[in-house]
Amino acid sequence: QLQLQESGPGLVKPSETLSLTCTVSGASISGSNYYWGWIRQPPGKGLEWIASIFYSGRTYYNPSLKTRVTVSVDMSKNQFSLNLNSVTAADTAVYYCARPQQQSVGGCFDIWGQGTMVTVSS
Amino acid sequence: EIVLTQSPATLSLSPGERATLSCRASQSVSSYLAWYQQKPGQAPRLLIHDASNRATGIPARFSGSGSGTDFTLTISSLEPEDSASYYCQQRLSWPLTFGGGTKVEIK
Repeated sequence: QLQLQESGPGLVKPSETLSLTCTVSGASISGSNYYWGWIRQPPGKGLEWIASIFYSGRTYYNPSLKTRVTVSVDMSKNQFSLNLNSVTAADTAVYYCARPQQQSVGGCFDIWGQGTMVTVSS
Repeated sequence: EIVLTQSPATLSLSPGERATLSCRASQSVSSYLAWYQQKPGQAPRLLIHDASNRATGIPARFSGSGSGTDFTLTISSLEPEDSASYYCQQRLSWPLTFGGGTKVEIK
């Protein structure tokens, strides 16, 4: 059974870098043909897609975050990661990793991690 | 970027009533639209993919329709556990985008 689990600091200082990892269990990222995704949700607000990454390393980013975001894959650990630099209070959110239903394209997400709350505060 | 607009923002109905939620796209997304349900403190759950296909395990009271720019999620007979926020998402093109959500309250 495929499961995703986010991990990383729950508190990040303004102007620093938010770094999160999604560990995939029950399936291998390598050769999986999915665009693994990151989505976030500020408190009381809606969902925002951040980025997606293919196992080969091909990436797509939300234009509103593109200058600050990097996603990467570590197939040896079966993980993919998110780095968001120069954070402000507006980046405070629950961050989810997710796998789309469809292979090889941007899809809708049928497998989600439980989410991790990240607060940006000094 | 394709903008998705959901309406109404909030819907308050009684158990057994029919709920109709709308999602309008700023340009055609063909049938590449999904619906999610999200309860407080939980990750979203995929309900409908490709406009009208129920995801695995989703009750038949949930149905989706539409194509192009106008889409509808219908809950035929509301159950108390349907109290949640509902989001639409398009997958036609990058960047993937979500609607702002509709909150369904059960009286």
